[in-house]
Amino acid sequence: DIVMTQSPLSLSVTPGEPASISCRSSQSLLHSNGYNYLDWYLQKPGQSPQLLIYLASHRASGVPDRFSGSGSGTDFTLKISRVEAEDVGVYYCMQGLQTPPAFGPGTKVDIK
Amino acid sequence: QLQLQESGPGLVKPSETLSLTCAVSGGSISRSSYYWGWIRQPPGKGLEWIGSISYSESTYYNPSLKSRVTISVDASQNQFSLKVTSVTAADTAVYYCARVNGHLGPFDYWGRGTQVTVSS
Repeated sequence: DIVMTQSPLSLSVTPGEPASISCRSSQSLLHSNGYNYLDWYLQKPGQSPQLLIYLASHRASGVPDRFSGSGSGTDFTLKISRVEAEDVGVYYCMQGLQTPPAFGPGTKVDIK
Repeated sequence: QLQLQESGPGLVKPSETLSLTCAVSGGSISRSSYYWGWIRQPPGKGLEWIGSISYSESTYYNPSLKSRVTISVDASQNQFSLKVTSVTAADTAVYYCARVNGHLGPFDYWGRGTQVTVSS
């Protein structure tokens, strides 16, 4: 099975400042079709997870452009250009390349 | 707007079978490009994929749960279901249903989740 790790596991950010979360997979997520099967989700307090980024760098519908995803192979990054209060919650990366899809442990983001 | 809604008993006794249903509205479950999945989240923990199914009943299961899990689809009712047999306290979790844009991901629409507690 592919194992996902994230760092840091918690992050406290000042509103308006940037934030970055790293995700690493135990095997390459690069498919022969050229796509990296890595997604990012945000679970706001008391809510179900919501899709932010799919295929490593594609923003999901309705996601603000302050969120961006990058990386390839085994190393990926989610960046928030300017954190807003509504961005608090737990961020998960997930690999969708092979069964079973696996989520990272999550990164808890709060506001200073 | 696609909506998913989980339903089922909130309390299940150890060794019994957990049964949940996910009702889909605002779109047809029969669209061939999508799968439909179940994910769970134990209290205070992360997310675990349980399995996914297509409208044509092609299924993928998490090997760690495969022997106890069955996912089925009822296109006539526009819903899909989850059964987990021989439950223990370790199966206590919030269970989410979701649309899978592909067969393993991404999960682009989620239900609100339903709490299931395994206790006598």
